[in-house]
Amino acid sequence: NAGVTQTPKFQVLKTGQSMTLQCAQDMNHNSMYWYRQDPGMGLRLIYYSASEGTTDKGEVPNGYNVSRLNKREFSLRLESAAPSQTSVYFCASSDPGKGGYGYTFGSGTRLTVV
Amino acid sequence: KQEVTQIPAALSVPEGENLVLNCSFTDSAIYNLQWFRQDPGKGLTSLLLIQSSQREQTSGRLNASLDKSSGRSTLYIAASQPGDSATYLCAVIPNAGKSTFGDGTTLTVKP
Repeated sequence: NAGVTQTPKFQVLKTGQSMTLQCAQDMNHNSMYWYRQDPGMGLRLIYYSASEGTTDKGEVPNGYNVSRLNKREFSLRLESAAPSQTSVYFCASSDPGKGGYGYTFGSGTRLTVV
Repeated sequence: KQEVTQIPAALSVPEGENLVLNCSFTDSAIYNLQWFRQDPGKGLTSLLLIQSSQREQTSGRLNASLDKSSGRSTLYIAASQPGDSATYLCAVIPNAGKSTFGDGTTLTVKP
């Protein structure tokens, strides 16, 4: 099925460890996004990529880095994980410029930092 | 700055009721508005997308309307079922820049 694929689905890290969350979309969308979702906080934008080769900070970028590897793939890296980064992470894509464009989300990565 | 509000935060209804979920936004210069459903522990599934030139969209028992002038969208669910229990989020999508998501309404439909 066409859509957004995130890996891994679950991860437990120790404080200070690093990891990369992977995201790939097969809808030929130009824009990709990383959100985190915490109870009572709603969806918060971490980073986004409006098009291949560009990335920009969202609301809560501290502690994260991103790479737009190509049009399909957008990865999120935690260099030194902290307990405050325990959250559910969602990748999404969209195609601004198309009239009826909306967002397609991946199924999420549930990250626990101990 | 666009602000999106979904009231109530939680709603519990008996099975079979027709219900309306609300999404209010402060800046009427929107491009599209999208409604999502999120089941516990799952991702966001798109339900309906309304372009700014449209007033409503329908899919099965769901009908979403958009009134840009009043800064409001509603999601109407007919003949609710226990399987409709989930959190419903709206997203206001601008012509340029980042979208704004509401915090959602958590719906419980009791058998």
